[in-house]
Amino acid sequence: NIVMTQSPKSMSISVGDRVTMNCKASQNVYNNIAWYQQKPGQSPKLLIYYASNRYNGVPDRFTGSGYGTDFTLTINSVQAEDAAFYYCQRIYNSPFTFGSGTKLEIK
Amino acid sequence: QVQLKESGPGLVQPSQTLSLTCTVSGFSLTSNSVHWVRQPPGKGLEWVGAIWSGGSTDYNSALKSRLSISRDTSKSQVFLKMNSLQTEDTAIYFCTRFRDYWGQGVMVTVSS
Repeated sequence: NIVMTQSPKSMSISVGDRVTMNCKASQNVYNNIAWYQQKPGQSPKLLIYYASNRYNGVPDRFTGSGYGTDFTLTINSVQAEDAAFYYCQRIYNSPFTFGSGTKLEIK
Repeated sequence: QVQLKESGPGLVQPSQTLSLTCTVSGFSLTSNSVHWVRQPPGKGLEWVGAIWSGGSTDYNSALKSRLSISRDTSKSQVFLKMNSLQTEDTAIYFCTRFRDYWGQGVMVTVSS
């Protein structure tokens, strides 16, 4: 089974900073990944699909990139409301494995 | 508008069977897949399984022997059944229209 490894596990960033988090697949998944944001007590929210497509209504400070095995979610000019967990997921072919998540804290 | 809502018992005894229902609106089950995802308290997301628009299913291999996902298209409902529950199955269970719309989740506690 393909394993999705996210790094770092957590980060603490100031408002206005740029943040980059990573997702590495153990095998080539082409562009078949999605990124989600989950805040405490809420369901995950889709941010990015097929590696780089921003979902409806997602602010353009969120950008996804990558192909094959290495993927990145970048948040430009982080806002206080971006404090959350972020998960990547393989979205083509079972199993639709999630990464273990990155916790983003705002200083 | 698209909505999904999970329902089921909040407490299940060890070794018993969990039955959850996901009632959907705003889209057709014959044109969309519905997936189940779970999240143990304080932990990350785990893909559980899926039922596709044609009615076929896929399961997490670690759960496959205990898991069944089915649907009633006339009622716009998707069902999850998992037997031989253990404390490790304690989690919030979400149903999702694969990626974009998610239910609020239902907390299931496995305890005697």
